[in-house]
Amino acid sequence: EAQVTQNPRYLITVTGKKLTVTCSQNMNHEYMSWYRQDPGLGLRQIYYSMNVEVTDKGDVPEGYKVSRKEKRNFPLILESPSPNQTSLYFCASSLSAQGSIYEQYFGPGTRLTVT
Amino acid sequence: AQSVTQLGSHVSVSEGALVLLRCNYSSSVPPYLFWYVQYPNQGLQLLLKYTSAATLVKGINGFEAEFKKSETSFHLTKPSAHMSDAAEYFCAVRDKNQGGKLIFGQGTELSVKP
Repeated sequence: EAQVTQNPRYLITVTGKKLTVTCSQNMNHEYMSWYRQDPGLGLRQIYYSMNVEVTDKGDVPEGYKVSRKEKRNFPLILESPSPNQTSLYFCASSLSAQGSIYEQYFGPGTRLTVT
Repeated sequence: AQSVTQLGSHVSVSEGALVLLRCNYSSSVPPYLFWYVQYPNQGLQLLLKYTSAATLVKGINGFEAEFKKSETSFHLTKPSAHMSDAAEYFCAVRDKNQGGKLIFGQGTELSVKP
């Protein structure tokens, strides 16, 4: 089944404790992206990747890191989480960003709480 | 910069009534527009997309949307609401110039009353 998977689905952590949220897609997509969803703000892009070893900042990159060493994986790293990073996170992928007509497929989401 | 505005953060309809969710966009070039639905505790699922082929776009679950360039709108409609349509709906435009990111509206939560 074609899908985007994220782990963990739920995470409660404390301020400053490094964490990684994994994202994997099995559709051989070139483009991958991370979004955070906050009430009343919709979804905002954190980072994106056009292909392996190519990543760039989105609208809200502060406090996050990403890497794209393999085509299928795009982990999101919070080196020192803070309470304002409490949010619902989504990973997404699409065939390509070229032309932008391709839909993005979303993972099930990771609900992160930082205390 | 492109942007999307969804009018009404909450919309409530009765079962069987027309569903109308409003979306307006700003874009200096012909946009690629999408409607996504998010059911509780789930990720986003594509309902339909506009890619300049036809102005009236039909999607899944009986939803459709009409692209109106003169009004810069892409409203989502369904003739008859079903209880299972209760969800949050997001309109989005894909930005060709900024790495292909999706720019989302703030979302509209649809409630369906029996």
